[in-house]
Amino acid sequence: AQSVTQLDSQVPVFEEAPVELRCNYSSSVSVYLFWYVQYPNQGLQLLLKYLSGSTLVESINGFEAEFNKSQTSFHLRKPSVHISDTAEYFCAVSRTTRGGADGLTFGKGTHLIIQP
Amino acid sequence: NAGVTQTPKFRVLKTGQSMTLLCAQDMNHEYMYWYRQDPGMGLRLIHYSVGEGTTAKGEVPDGYNVSRLKKQNFLLGLESAAPSQTSVYFCASSPQNEQFFGPGTRLTVL
Repeated sequence: AQSVTQLDSQVPVFEEAPVELRCNYSSSVSVYLFWYVQYPNQGLQLLLKYLSGSTLVESINGFEAEFNKSQTSFHLRKPSVHISDTAEYFCAVSRTTRGGADGLTFGKGTHLIIQP
Repeated sequence: NAGVTQTPKFRVLKTGQSMTLLCAQDMNHEYMYWYRQDPGMGLRLIHYSVGEGTTAKGEVPDGYNVSRLKKQNFLLGLESAAPSQTSVYFCASSPQNEQFFGPGTRLTVL
């Protein structure tokens, strides 16, 4: 079985400051890694994913995450946040077998609060 | 394309009542999923399906049943609702690897 730990339930940060949301996982098999974002009263949107290849992955809106196999981490970073980044962020993993057919295991989420 | 849609958006039930939540996707995805989201718990997998006519249990399946009679639809049933099933329910579909989520159904059981 897999497990995901998001170390911070809430992260307040000032606008235009950098931010890092931490995610660690545990698994006995190889996994794919994901970050999803949930804006208030909405569903989840995929922010970025690591399937294979380069360990640094980027999103179109300036977020990036780095897969660190030795530390079993997949931390999310952004060099300068905007008010519109206020949301709940979820880290998730799935087993690589059958293309992740068995579903996602989520962390409990980190609420990113941007202060003006 | 509508993507993943869920019906209804909101529902209030009394303890012991039954209901069915409908998930539909128009992307021809093989895999479909039902999750529940509770405050401070993240999302937890209830049941999933890897193809038409197949279903499997996830992490928290008790009290729920599912059916996938058509590839595009995945139904979640509550036979006898309990207050512990008050939650937001999300459906997702996937071709492989990446999952696409619906907007959610907010269910309250009194």
